[in-house]
Amino acid sequence: EVQLVESGGNLVQPGGSLRLSCAVSGFPFSNDWMNWVRQAPVRGLEWVASIKRDGSEIYYVDSVKGRFTISRDNAKNSLYLQMNSLRVEDTAVYYCVTGGADYWGQGTLVTVSS
Amino acid sequence: VMTQSPLSLPVTLGQPASISCRSSQSLVHSDGNTYLFWFQQRPGQSPRRLIYEVSKRDSGVPDRFSGSGSGTDFTLKISRVEAEDVGVYYCMQGIYWRFGQGTRLEIK
Repeated sequence: EVQLVESGGNLVQPGGSLRLSCAVSGFPFSNDWMNWVRQAPVRGLEWVASIKRDGSEIYYVDSVKGRFTISRDNAKNSLYLQMNSLRVEDTAVYYCVTGGADYWGQGTLVTVSS
Repeated sequence: VMTQSPLSLPVTLGQPASISCRSSQSLVHSDGNTYLFWFQQRPGQSPRRLIYEVSKRDSGVPDRFSGSGSGTDFTLKISRVEAEDVGVYYCMQGIYWRFGQGTRLEIK
């Protein structure tokens, strides 16, 4: 069974930092692109970042460039999202998603508020 | 930009439903495939992929769900709506991962 388990979401003040993690099992993690997608409260889905299987290609949505860093550890079957200089508008549930969007985690809630 | 319509879809149980998704650019990739996906998000759940590459149904997805279309215009159809189909449906172009606004399906 494929499982993606996100962790690290929390309440943080504007300007603060968080690191999200996603532990993947039952899936050939090292063979696939991985992605972060977020969903703001009562809002739609927004792609945030993608990373190639070996980390050699990385892409971000414009609104997080220079503030967020996606990374992966294939030895640990884990995906990460380092989030710095957080803004109120970054408040959302963050999902870890496989390359073909065929598997999604349960999401972790990031709340940016003073 | 991915544009869905309608944004709200009240349907009587057992009746068909149809959701449209229009892309501002062709979704035909240089490899010949068209990367258009459909997702279902039930209340309180993560999104679930229903359809990939326009019309291929994922494992476990009931055959009352079907996808069609080409180029820039795509459609998700539900032949007979059941209570478990309530939720929000999203299309997504898989080249740059852009989602539609979502269509909320509810039972009349």
